[in-house]
Amino acid sequence: DQQVKQNSPSLSVQEGRISILNCDYTNSMFDYFLWYKKYPAEGPTFLISISSIKDKNEDGRFTVFLNKSAKHLSLHIVPSQPGDSAVYFCAASAANTGNQFYFGTGTSLTVIP
Amino acid sequence: NAGVTQTPKFRVLKTGQSMTLLCAQDMNHEYMYWYRQDPGMGLRLIHYSVGEGTTAKGEVPDGYNVSRLKKQNFLLGLESAAPSQTSVYFCASIPGSWNTEAFFGQGTRLTVV
Repeated sequence: DQQVKQNSPSLSVQEGRISILNCDYTNSMFDYFLWYKKYPAEGPTFLISISSIKDKNEDGRFTVFLNKSAKHLSLHIVPSQPGDSAVYFCAASAANTGNQFYFGTGTSLTVIP
Repeated sequence: NAGVTQTPKFRVLKTGQSMTLLCAQDMNHEYMYWYRQDPGMGLRLIHYSVGEGTTAKGEVPDGYNVSRLKKQNFLLGLESAAPSQTSVYFCASIPGSWNTEAFFGQGTRLTVV
């Protein structure tokens, strides 16, 4: 059973607009959440993270929001750029699980010029 | 600084053959992980290690063995390859402290025919 879920396999957005990628989790013990970006034929690269003591974290054009009561997090990209076109994975971990990271199935983002 | 390096990048095996995938990191990280990525399944943890000489099972360990004889290397072995093990394999590492991102290798594309 998937503990981290990304229900949208793909998303298309116009350049300059906002991209919103969503992620849900089921394990209430998760206390650290991350977003990774992956280009074809490359390994995932870290984008942004948030710990469970926060509800928002910003880094430039990227903002991650965490709603613990809903077990939901989202990644906002503003403004979206064609170079943002990639597969985005959300991941979660818990301090008591040997730092195992549980990944979602990914959302393929296409930013249309 | 090479980061996380995986060898080989591509491999084709016949059913029943064996092989070893090598992961090497030069960041003095304590924790290392092996994941597999399959379409629609995201990244799933195969085995991981919390330090030299230690290994533990992840979500999908069957058919694989691992060893961590040196801190910088984490080996993934397939004793008798099966077509179901056709996948892209990623190695990752973290320093060992909680609340930190994982660094990934570039991946190994394995096809078992």
